[in-house]
This record gives sequence, C-alpha cells and structure tokens, in this order.
Amino acid sequence: DAGVIQSPRHEVTEMGQEVTLRCKPISGHDYLFWYRQTMMRGLELLIYFNNNVPIDDSGMPEDRFSAKMPNASFSTLKIQPSEPRDSAVYFCASSYPEAVGNTIYFGEGSWLTVV
Amino acid sequence: GQNIDQPTEMTATEGAIVQINCTYQTSGFNGLFWYQQHAGEAPTFLSYNVLDGLEEKGRFSSFLSRSKGYSYLLLKELQMKDSASYLCAVKSNYQLIWGAGTKLIIKP
Repeated sequence: DAGVIQSPRHEVTEMGQEVTLRCKPISGHDYLFWYRQTMMRGLELLIYFNNNVPIDDSGMPEDRFSAKMPNASFSTLKIQPSEPRDSAVYFCASSYPEAVGNTIYFGEGSWLTVV
Repeated sequence: GQNIDQPTEMTATEGAIVQINCTYQTSGFNGLFWYQQHAGEAPTFLSYNVLDGLEEKGRFSSFLSRSKGYSYLLLKELQMKDSASYLCAVKSNYQLIWGAGTKLIIKP
C-alpha cells in the first residue's frame, strides 16, 4: 500500500499568493483529515471528511482556508490569500472505521513557508 | 474543557528504560493513542488502549487507567533511533484530542 500521498512536499510562496495542497488517501479509507502542525500550537485538526462529505470544519482558521474532496481518492486544501502566519506543516491523514480504534494514518506532510 | 498533559522534554540513556506519562481530562473517552514523530516526519501509530491495563508490543508498552485519566508509554532497551517526539491523543466523543508531545532525547 502506498500510504497517504501529499503534494507538494515543500512550498515557499510570497504573501498574498494562493496555495493549494493536495492529498490522496489510502484506498478504501473513508475518513480524511487535514491537520496543521506548528511548534507553538502543536497538531491542530482543520477539517475532516467522511465519504467525501465535510463533517467538521470548525478548525479552519478563517475564510482564507477552504477544503474540498471531489471524490474518494483526492482532496485539496487551499489558502487564498496566504499570510506568513500560515507557515506550518500541513498533514493529510486517513482512516477507516474497522481499523483498531479507527487509527489514522498520516501522509508525509506539506511544508509551507510564506514569506 | 478538554486537556491533555505530557512533559515537554525528557532525556534518557541508550539501553535504559523510560516512561512517558500522559494525563487527560476530556468530556468523553473512546480510547487513547500513542504516536511517534521523528523530526521532519509524520506521526506514526504506536499503540491504542481502550481498556485499563498494559498493552505490550515489543520494546514498547502502553498503560491506561481510565479512572485516573492517566496513561504512560514505556520504552525499553532504548536505542538512538528512539529519539523522537511522542504524542498522546485521546478520542473523546469521536474527536481526537492531541497532546503537545514529549520530545525524547537519547544520549549514548
């Protein structure tokens, strides 16, 4: 199994630019999560989907952030316009209910730097 | 409120044993996870406890006491590759609440 696949792995962009992060969950997993991790705030859940439907987006910081899941094998997290405080590692993760405890599996992350 | 506490940093010696504690106060409890995260990498699943007691998996063991809101991760025969952050996470009302992580430094 290829695991959760994220792209890009690293991105440096200028303030005000649009950033799109992409994720392919593990095949057969029906939950998909977007997390953000920083030294100051640790791991924060931004949004999660079940069967492609957004269930809880209360962690999305503000309207500049949006996420979509058009099908079971693809999701995007978009930041428009980006700001320096958005610099963080963004993890996509997926899970399926039959896994022990509904264990979630993380992708390798997208390291975003906004200058 | 929902709160998970774990030490920020711990240091141990190669070959020794270390115990990383996690205490939690959550509105519900559906299980507790431990994840390992090496610097610059993603968290990876280590263990899951939903009932009281000890779960052993090779050099790693995890303990849970639901009445005390307490868990620990025990690492035996420490190796240099165990240097990482260890994250405690509690499933509460089907949400996963994450601790800030404990950075474990292993010295030769």
